[in-house]
Amino acid sequence: GESVGLHLPTLSVQEGDNSIINCAYSNSASDYFIWYKQESGKGPQFIIDIRSNMDKRQGQRVTVLLNKTVKHLSLQIAATQPGDSAVYFCAENPWGGGADGLTFGKGTHLIIQP
Amino acid sequence: DSGVTQTPKHLITATGQRVTLRCSPRSGDLSVYWYQQSLDQGLQFLIQYYNGEERAKGNILERFSAQQFPDLHSELNLSSLELGDSALYFCASSRQGDREKLFFGSGTQLSVL
Repeated sequence: GESVGLHLPTLSVQEGDNSIINCAYSNSASDYFIWYKQESGKGPQFIIDIRSNMDKRQGQRVTVLLNKTVKHLSLQIAATQPGDSAVYFCAENPWGGGADGLTFGKGTHLIIQP
Repeated sequence: DSGVTQTPKHLITATGQRVTLRCSPRSGDLSVYWYQQSLDQGLQFLIQYYNGEERAKGNILERFSAQQFPDLHSELNLSSLELGDSALYFCASSRQGDREKLFFGSGTQLSVL
């Protein structure tokens, strides 16, 4: 079955508000996690990543939180803009130890309301 | 622009046919990955090549095959096509020192009629 999943398939937020996209994973051996953004007609685009030896990492307007105890990952987007509208995927490296390849969740569609 | 180039962007074909999808990785990237994206299955890992050799296999059907050439470009061959093979096919590449961070191309939309 799917080892990486998303709690909400669609998330609608007001422009300017903060967005939180959640992701659950089931493989406790996963040591690397990554968030991708996919806009319509384009391939997935890297946003931010985090290793299992960290619980938080910040980028530009984005923060990823990792809770290994409950196997939960979240992506926070500050002050969402219309350009943030996209499908967001979390992915994990389920083999640990630096092996190649990622397993993706099914995605959350983020809709920004004006 | 990720630097990964995929051709063609769109492909329309009939059941039973064979098609070839092409991918050029980012300059310097030795690893190439193929993923299939459909509405009901999400992004599914198919196969990975590293410097010309097969490295890992995922949910790839026996009707599908791939290869990576000496110039590091890769081709995904899909044969005996079925309606259910209609999907977006993505190629991704990664660097030697950062191999888990994948950079994706824009994909090939395959429609099997």
